[in-house]
Amino acid sequence: NAGVTQTPKFQVLKTGQSMTLQCAQDMNHNSMYWYRQDPGMGLRLIYYSASEGTTDKGEVPNGYNVSRLNKREFSLRLESAAPSQTSVYFCASSEVSRGGETQYFGPGTRLLVL
Amino acid sequence: GENVEQHPSTLSVQEGDSAVIKCTYSDSASNYFPWYKQELGKRPQLIIDIRSNVGEKKDQRIAVTLNKTAKHFSLHITETQPEDSAVYFCAATLYNNNDMRFGAGTRLTVKP
Repeated sequence: NAGVTQTPKFQVLKTGQSMTLQCAQDMNHNSMYWYRQDPGMGLRLIYYSASEGTTDKGEVPNGYNVSRLNKREFSLRLESAAPSQTSVYFCASSEVSRGGETQYFGPGTRLLVL
Repeated sequence: GENVEQHPSTLSVQEGDSAVIKCTYSDSASNYFPWYKQELGKRPQLIIDIRSNVGEKKDQRIAVTLNKTAKHFSLHITETQPEDSAVYFCAATLYNNNDMRFGAGTRLTVKP
């Protein structure tokens, strides 16, 4: 099993450009998450999907959209990138829908917005 | 929403010594408290977790304690080794809530 995979690993964008970060898991997990990690601020939840067909906002959703394409895939879209969105983005998944269980993280996507 | 504070932000110990990292949380309803370890350039990985129906949990050299009254929980690492060097994150959430909040992290350095 590959676990949680993310593409791309690294991306440079100009302000105003759009892009989609891809995430997939092969563990048949119900819940999937998108976090951003900034120095000194830990991991902050952007959006999550408790089950296929549902998505909910986390702590810092502004400027992002998500799509739970199917049970395996959960994408994060930046419609108009801003320098404040420079960060490392982690996707995660957990087995149950309700939360409160181990989350398995992907390798991360490092995004630089100029 | 839940707010998690973590201290210290950096911690340096000598190999073989113990390390303690403390976290406080704001929502008394939170009942699931995991700890994640993140090595440089790698993904966070769960090392131990505790639920509010227990006060302490151990796994070899790692232990977590929970004080529900004071709303704080701590990670204890005994007999530290250089490979314990990493950033450690605490987190808190309600057991049936996907919106988990993380502390800001503690960078632990174990000197050989």
